[in-house]
Amino acid sequence: QVQLQQSGPGLVKPSGTLSLTCGVSGESVRSSNWWGWVRQPPGKGLQWIGEVHHSDSPNYNPSLKSRVTISIDMSRNQVSLRLSSVTAADTAVYYCARGWTYSGSYSDAFDIWGQGAVVTVSS
Amino acid sequence: DIQMTQSPSSLSASVGDRVTITCQASQDISKYLNWYQHKTGRAPKLLIFDASNLETGVPSRFSGGGSGTLFTLTISSLQAEDIATYYCQQHDRLPLTFGGGTKVEI
Repeated sequence: QVQLQQSGPGLVKPSGTLSLTCGVSGESVRSSNWWGWVRQPPGKGLQWIGEVHHSDSPNYNPSLKSRVTISIDMSRNQVSLRLSSVTAADTAVYYCARGWTYSGSYSDAFDIWGQGAVVTVSS
Repeated sequence: DIQMTQSPSSLSASVGDRVTITCQASQDISKYLNWYQHKTGRAPKLLIFDASNLETGVPSRFSGGGSGTLFTLTISSLQAEDIATYYCQQHDRLPLTFGGGTKVEI
């Protein structure tokens, strides 16, 4: 059974860098799936941040692309998110998710999710 | 970006009611539409993929339909455990985008 376990600081200072890790168990990150990040700001809906595949270039939301890096660590079987130059607008619950795909180019559906991580940007 | 518009933004219904949520895409996305259920404090859950395919383990009272730009999610007989916010999401092209959500209350 595939499980995603998220970890990382819950508080980040303005202009700092948000860093989260998603440990994957029950499946190799070298599988055919994508591994993505989605966030939900307080009182708002879901926003796709981006995703990574072990043998393809990452896909990023253009609205965040200049600040986002999503990477994959095959030795630790985990995926990481880094978001730089954060502001209060980046305060959100962040989820990692498995992106099941049949098209291959990007996720066709997010079928397994991590537990979510509340990240607050504040001094 | 493809804009996804859901209606209504919230609804209140009784146990046993038939509930229908609508999702409209700003351009033709064929069948490439997913539905998620998001309960407070929990991770979103995939209900339906590619407009009408029920994810394994999802109760049969959930169903999806539509194609092109207009899609629906129907709960045939609302249960208390269905209280949640429901989101549509298109995967026709990047960036992947979600609708604004429909909050279902009893």
